Amino acid sequence: SAVISQKPSRDICQRGTSLTIQCQVDSQVTMMFWYRQQPGQSLTLIATANQGSEATYESGFVIDKFPISRPNLTFSTLTVSNMSPEDSSIYLCSVIAGQNTGELFFGEGSRLTVL
Amino acid sequence: TQLLEQSPQFLSIQEGENLTVYCNSSSVFSSLQWYRQEPGEGPVLLVTVVTGGEVKKLKRLTFQFGDARKDSSLHITAAQPGDTGLYLCAGAGSDSWGKLQFGAGTQVVVTP
Repeated sequence: SAVISQKPSRDICQRGTSLTIQCQVDSQVTMMFWYRQQPGQSLTLIATANQGSEATYESGFVIDKFPISRPNLTFSTLTVSNMSPEDSSIYLCSVIAGQNTGELFFGEGSRLTVL
Repeated sequence: TQLLEQSPQFLSIQEGENLTVYCNSSSVFSSLQWYRQEPGEGPVLLVTVVTGGEVKKLKRLTFQFGDARKDSSLHITAAQPGDTGLYLCAGAGSDSWGKLQFGAGTQVVVTP
């Protein structure tokens, strides 16, 4: 199993500002995944973060809005830029748990509220 | 996009009752996973089903994967307050590890 720590666990932000979320894993992993969970909705994949290369973004998400860093095999950051109330959400970092089935371990999430 | 539809969206039952949550899709998945999420936490994996027709039991929880690998169900027998949480099904394709397609979730509340 993997232990995933996210910071901050929650924050209240002002419109127009940016916030960086950190994700630390207790083991080396090739891919890290960032998901968003909007209020009352399910999880949506934002992007896949690979060490040593640009992140791969899913449809509807762009690098300018959600820049991602992946400096090593145990750490990643997701920045939510120029925030608006629509960005209020839980942001979750995850890694693959099962190589043959695609199971995921998730961090505890970072709950952002944008005023 | 492979869509997963979960039903019901919300379920409130008394302790000791049984419940079933359904997860349906028009697409075939290589595997289907069930997670439970509690407030302030990330989803935690309960089980993965891979083979069509597969049935897995985890104590009072029974998971079934449809023969065509398009649908799944979660049945809880004699529910307890500790079963309260958001239950999420998620489908995985064979070539997209980590890119799970999640259902909208079923919020289960079990009252004593």
